[in-house]
Amino acid sequence: KAGVTQTPRYLIKTRGQQVTLSCSPISGHRSVSWYQQTPGQGLQFLFEYFSETQRNKGNFPGRFSGRQFSNSRSEMNVSTLELGDSALYLCASSPGLAGRYTDTQYFGPGTRLTVL
Amino acid sequence: GENVEQHPSTLSVQEGDSAVIKCTYSDSASNYFPWYKQELGKRPQLIIDIRSNVGEKKDQRIAVTLNKTAKHFSLHITETQPEDSAVYFCAAPLAYKYIFGTGTRLKVLA
Repeated sequence: KAGVTQTPRYLIKTRGQQVTLSCSPISGHRSVSWYQQTPGQGLQFLFEYFSETQRNKGNFPGRFSGRQFSNSRSEMNVSTLELGDSALYLCASSPGLAGRYTDTQYFGPGTRLTVL
Repeated sequence: GENVEQHPSTLSVQEGDSAVIKCTYSDSASNYFPWYKQELGKRPQLIIDIRSNVGEKKDQRIAVTLNKTAKHFSLHITETQPEDSAVYFCAAPLAYKYIFGTGTRLKVLA
């Protein structure tokens, strides 16, 4: 099976702009999670989607939003970009079985966002 | 609250020695504990995981041990090699989200 893919791989934006990142999960996986990775904060959970529904979200401002489509592909959007949003944004997919979260997650290569 | 503490933050070992990284979690309901390895500029890759119904799992030079009573789990790497140099993350999933440790930068000195 093909792995998790993310587009674009690199983005440069300026403050105040908005950006949309895309994630295509492994075929058959229905859960997609998004993470922000920075040198100082490690891997921070943004949100998780399963069957087009957001099941959990992390402690990020409302400028960060996401959605999932019926084919399980997911997008995340960041509006009104700030310098501090510069980071590697990773998505991860998993089968998304029911119950407490015990699925193995598989990561995409990430999108490197630079805000100038 | 939800928390995973990981120690040490950096670890340097001589090639051939063993390395141990420890994580402590807060929610006793957690029952799955993966470890990821992230090389520079690459995505995190799952290297080993353990579920709460076992106390230890091995895969060649890598092992993970789990102590549910103390709520901690550890990664053990034996006979370290230069290619083991990377950042290692532990995680404890809770209610549809993964809580990751802050990472351990392992350097294997030749």
